[in-house]
Amino acid sequence: KAGVTQTPRYLIKTRGQQVTLSCSPISGHRSVSWYQQTPGQGLQFLFEYFSETQRNKGNFPGRFSGRQFSNSRSEMNVSTLELGDSALYLCASSLDHGSEAFFGQGTRLTVV
Amino acid sequence: QQQVKQSPQSLIVQKGGISIINCAYENTAFDYFPWYQQFPGKGPALLIAIRPDVSEKKEGRFTISFNKSAKQFSLHIMDSQPGDSATYFCAARTNAGKSTFGDGTTLTVKP
Repeated sequence: KAGVTQTPRYLIKTRGQQVTLSCSPISGHRSVSWYQQTPGQGLQFLFEYFSETQRNKGNFPGRFSGRQFSNSRSEMNVSTLELGDSALYLCASSLDHGSEAFFGQGTRLTVV
Repeated sequence: QQQVKQSPQSLIVQKGGISIINCAYENTAFDYFPWYQQFPGKGPALLIAIRPDVSEKKEGRFTISFNKSAKQFSLHIMDSQPGDSATYFCAARTNAGKSTFGDGTTLTVKP
């Protein structure tokens, strides 16, 4: 069974630009969560989607948004990028809301 | 607000020794406590998890001890091996599905 796939693996963007990251969950999983990982702040929860609906949201500004499609694939968008948005963005999929989470390898975003 | 405090930040253990990582939480709404292992360049992988109705759970060399009254839980790695060298994260999740992670512990097991 294929694991969680995140694309792209690496990305370099300029301050002020916007970016879209993609996550394909494990087949059959309906819940997708997004996290930001930085050396200084650790793993911070961004949001969770379940059956195309946002179920939970972390404490991030509105520049961070996401969506989930009918096939459970999810995208995360960050607009007006800031230098501080440089981080590893991780996606995790679960069979159902609240069940065991499996992480992808992440997308390393660098904002210059 | 740091809802899950993890210690130590780094840990060096000799091969064959016991590695112990501790976490403390504040929110009594947490009802699921997983531990994740992360190698460089990889995403975190679920190692072992416990629910608050159990005081201990063991899987192979990995054991979680849970103290509900003290709001603390810990990971014990018995017979630590160099291959266990990684960053370990504790986490706590509410029944609404919202997870909070500790800051991580970098474990180095010396051969």
